[in-house]
Order: sequence, then structure tokens, then C-alpha cells
Amino acid sequence: EDQVTQSPEALRLQEGESSSLNCSYTVSGLRGLFWYRQDPGKGPEFLFTLYSAGEEKEKERLKATLTKKESFLHITAPKPEDSATYLCAVLHGSGNTGKLIFGQGTTLQVKP
Amino acid sequence: DAGITQSPRHKVTETGTPVTLRCHQTENHRYMYWYRQDPGHGLRLIHYSYGVKDTDKGEVSDGYSVSRSKTEDFLLTLESATSSQTSVYFCAISSGRLTDTQYFGPGTRLTVL
Repeated sequence: EDQVTQSPEALRLQEGESSSLNCSYTVSGLRGLFWYRQDPGKGPEFLFTLYSAGEEKEKERLKATLTKKESFLHITAPKPEDSATYLCAVLHGSGNTGKLIFGQGTTLQVKP
Repeated sequence: DAGITQSPRHKVTETGTPVTLRCHQTENHRYMYWYRQDPGHGLRLIHYSYGVKDTDKGEVSDGYSVSRSKTEDFLLTLESATSSQTSVYFCAISSGRLTDTQYFGPGTRLTVL
């Protein structure tokens, strides 16, 4: 069964305390892995797309990496404004019918 | 929100009544999607459209129908709302290529009493 699992479910960090969020997946025909950020009461906001193992993407304090079985979202020296739920999603399928499977998210709280 | 609006943003309705949610985009993207988000389940695909009048089912399509008569509008209809359809509904869009990023709208919070 195609599945995406994120860990931990919740993470509390002190400002400046670096950490990583994990997204592990078991899908057939991976076409891409996406990271989104979601603030309370809002829609998911796109962060990164990774397409192949070994690929890395960076944006400010965030860095996403991809292996054949999992992806990590590394947060370096986080600030309180990085507090949000981070969602991982895997695009799989063939032809024109690729579909996203989402993990349940990791809720990050960064305290000043 | 990448030129995506959803209406209404909040709705409270009663069991058994029909409900229609609207997604409107100004990006001229080919693909449009409806998801629901529930605690413990994450985001799940309800239906999607790959062009005007072209739609297909997602993983949780029972009790929902969709229509797309114009590129910019994608409607989600609950024929007879049930309490299990209380959720937050998100519309998303992507351009013509399969691997393109999906961009999400602000969501509609629906409560079925």
C-alpha cells in the first residue's frame, strides 16, 4: 500500500536549536516529493520539490534532501516565525493521472 | 495563494442539504483538485479535473460530485451533506505537466450539523 509517514508528529525547539523533520515513503513510481508549510487557518504553501535521490534544495533556514526511501527537512537556527505544520507529499502514478499522497504533517513550535 | 479563491470560506449547514463549494483560479492552469483535510488523516484527494468537462475520482469521492464548465472554475457538490463531511476543503491547481507543483487555495471550513 502506498504510504507517507512523517515524524515526529510534533516538535518543540528553542530559537536557534537546529533539527530535522523526517518523511518516509513507500510508493510505486515516485514522480516527485513535495514539502509544504501550513499555518493555522490557511492553505498549504509550497516550499520545495525533489525529483531524484541525492537531490537537495535550500531556502533560507530550510534544506530538503531526498533518498530512495525518505526525505528530510533540515531547519538551521530556527526562528519563532518558522513555527508551522510542515507537510510532505509524494507524487506517484503514470501517464497523466499522477496523484499526491500526503503525510499527516509535523507541527513545529519554535520558542524565543 | 497563487491566484486561487474559494467560496464560501465558512459554511454551516444541516444534514441532508445540498452544498456547493466553488474554486476560482486566475492562472489558466489545466489541472484543478479538491482535497479535504481532517485531523489524523491529513490531506486526501476527493476529485480532480484535467480539463474542461474532464474529471476523475480521488481516494475519498463517495458522496461528492464535481463539475468544470470553464477553465477557471471547479465546483464541488455534496449532494446530501452528512456529519462525516464536516471538514476543511482545499482547492489546488497545477499547470499542464504531470510533475508540476500543486498550489493551494485558502480553504473552506464546512460544518454539517
